[in-house]
Amino acid sequence: QKEVEQDPGPLSVPEGAIVSLNCTYSNSAFQYFMWYRQYSRKGPELLMYTYSSGNKEDGRFTAQVDKSSKYISLFIRDSQPSDSATYLCAMRVPDSWGKLQFGAGTQVVVTP
Amino acid sequence: GAGVSQSPSNKVTEKGKDVELRCDPISGHTALYWYRQSLGQGLEFLIYFQGNSAPDKSGLPSDRFSAERTGGSVSTLTIQRTQQEDSAVYLCASRAGNQETQYFGPGTRLLVL
Repeated sequence: QKEVEQDPGPLSVPEGAIVSLNCTYSNSAFQYFMWYRQYSRKGPELLMYTYSSGNKEDGRFTAQVDKSSKYISLFIRDSQPSDSATYLCAMRVPDSWGKLQFGAGTQVVVTP
Repeated sequence: GAGVSQSPSNKVTEKGKDVELRCDPISGHTALYWYRQSLGQGLEFLIYFQGNSAPDKSGLPSDRFSAERTGGSVSTLTIQRTQQEDSAVYLCASRAGNQETQYFGPGTRLLVL
């Protein structure tokens, strides 16, 4: 079993819909949780960063962490075709100077 | 400003040949990471450099893989006697010492025939 599980999709939604993405993990020591966006043939870029449990909002993006369930989510409101990309969750490995454990990534397609 | 750059963008090689992949991190970033991304897979950690400390090589898949970082800046990932299963995108990232954010380069697409 992988330490971080993420449904690879693809997830297809119409423009304007809410995109809901999630990851589950097995290591209860994870404290730092991130979401990266990766466009085709580009490197990942950091979207959201959350420490411990709770919610964080940034514009159309909301990240949620539920440590009791070992479950994290990313919501994208009012989705746009430009949101079409692969979204990767990542967690910082404890005591590792920033080494990240990534999920497989979910491909999202927003259709006009 | 300049981000992380990687070269070459694409590399096609024959099985058994050696390849060198280069990463130029953001100036002043003390931490540098190499990851591998295979088709449909997430990023797999390979190796990490932090300042003058000994690198964390725990993710290197075999002794055919090695990396060095010269002068605390440019890094080279070397794969010896390449195999077809080495085909992947190799990504480099750098991070400032007091931040969490890793900034990724565009990657090098390696195809081993």
